[in-house]
Amino acid sequence: DARVTQTPRHKVTEMGQEVTMRCQPILGHNTVFWYRQTMMQGLELLAYFRNRAPLDDSGMPKDRFSAEMPDATLATLKIQPSEPRDSAVYFCASGYTATGNQPQHFGDGTRLSIL
Amino acid sequence: GQQVMQIPQYQHVQEGEDFTTYCNSSTTLSNIQWYKQRPGGHPVFLIQLVKSGEVKKQKRLTFQFGEAKKNSSLHITATQTTDVGTYFCAGWLGAGSYQLTFGKGTKLSVIP
Repeated sequence: DARVTQTPRHKVTEMGQEVTMRCQPILGHNTVFWYRQTMMQGLELLAYFRNRAPLDDSGMPKDRFSAEMPDATLATLKIQPSEPRDSAVYFCASGYTATGNQPQHFGDGTRLSIL
Repeated sequence: GQQVMQIPQYQHVQEGEDFTTYCNSSTTLSNIQWYKQRPGGHPVFLIQLVKSGEVKKQKRLTFQFGEAKKNSSLHITATQTTDVGTYFCAGWLGAGSYQLTFGKGTKLSVIP
């Protein structure tokens, strides 16, 4: 079965360090989403790309977060500098959107702890 | 902006009891999707509803989309311990939008 692959699965680091999370979407999917999940806020959409072009990153704190898709097989989400409040599970999801919205396929997530 | 409200936030049921979660959108939706997230896992797509008043079944799960396409429900008959997890609804506005707006989910606990 095709699946979305996220690395690393777990990350523990100290405040102020740079964090890079990577996502390999399902081959053929043209839309990639980054979500953050916390107990308080639930699933928050941070940014998404269609055909590698960023469409919306209004959910991201721009001063420290950045999202890129250097090629069709890799999406990255970076936090610099990281802060304790960034501790959360970060999910990448991919899907295929053409004339209608299709299901999103989620990766296993990156569980991030900032000390 | 668009909001999707989901209730209840938590539900504890005895195994064998029924369970229902409700989803309400502030705006008319083009379609609605439902996802299940097991503890420690990731959201997994269950189903998509598109038509006004649509009802779909998957074994013990029944999904409904309201006539006005602003609300939806998921009903589980005779819950089992394998139903444990958080159920999310996610609404799509339609053409020109590629994102889903997720509700905060209903966390289901099943007491054996």
